[in-house]
Amino acid sequence: NAGVMQNPRHLVRRRGQEARLRCSPMKGHSHVYWYRQLPEEGLKFMVYLQKENIIDESGMPKERFSAEFPKEGPSILRIQQVVRGDSAAYFCASSPRTNEKLFFGSGTQLSVL
Amino acid sequence: SQQGEEDPQALSIQEGENATMNCSYKTSINNLQWYRQNSGRGLVHLILIRSNEREKHSGRLRVTLDTSKKSSSLLITASRAADTASYFCATGTSGANSKLTFGKGITLSVRP
Repeated sequence: NAGVMQNPRHLVRRRGQEARLRCSPMKGHSHVYWYRQLPEEGLKFMVYLQKENIIDESGMPKERFSAEFPKEGPSILRIQQVVRGDSAAYFCASSPRTNEKLFFGSGTQLSVL
Repeated sequence: SQQGEEDPQALSIQEGENATMNCSYKTSINNLQWYRQNSGRGLVHLILIRSNEREKHSGRLRVTLDTSKKSSSLLITASRAADTASYFCATGTSGANSKLTFGKGITLSVRP
């Protein structure tokens, strides 16, 4: 059973471009969470999704950021018109149910030039 | 907003010693979890303790939870150099759509 898969591992974008981060949860997991981490800081919650539904997006900026978890395929975190401040590590995690332990992917390091 | 706050921010100990890390939180919780992160990697779950539990053990790890003080501690006994990592506490609230909220973490260095 493969773990949570995130790709790409590293993503470099110029200001104004779009960034697409992918996350395939563990098999059988229908709950997906996205977190963002800046150097020397903890993880900040962005969005919580279940299949085809956004459950909680309270941590995600209303502009430029969007997330989806379609019926088929990976969850996507999309950042439009990236700015330097978007540079961070983005982690995806999955779980089979609420209030269970999370399984994390290795993250995507986004660098905006 | 940050729910859990870990203490101390950084801890340096000698191999073989015990490491104690503390976490305080503000609101009622359903469960509290501890995670470990090695530099540049994803987080790995260590242990989960529910609000109706007071203590839990897993190998060299011991976690306590005091809901009256809204605090938890993680004890790593007989530390090893390989325990060097960042440790995070995270809290989950009650409700069908609860998410985990993480603290800023504790950097543990174990000197060989």
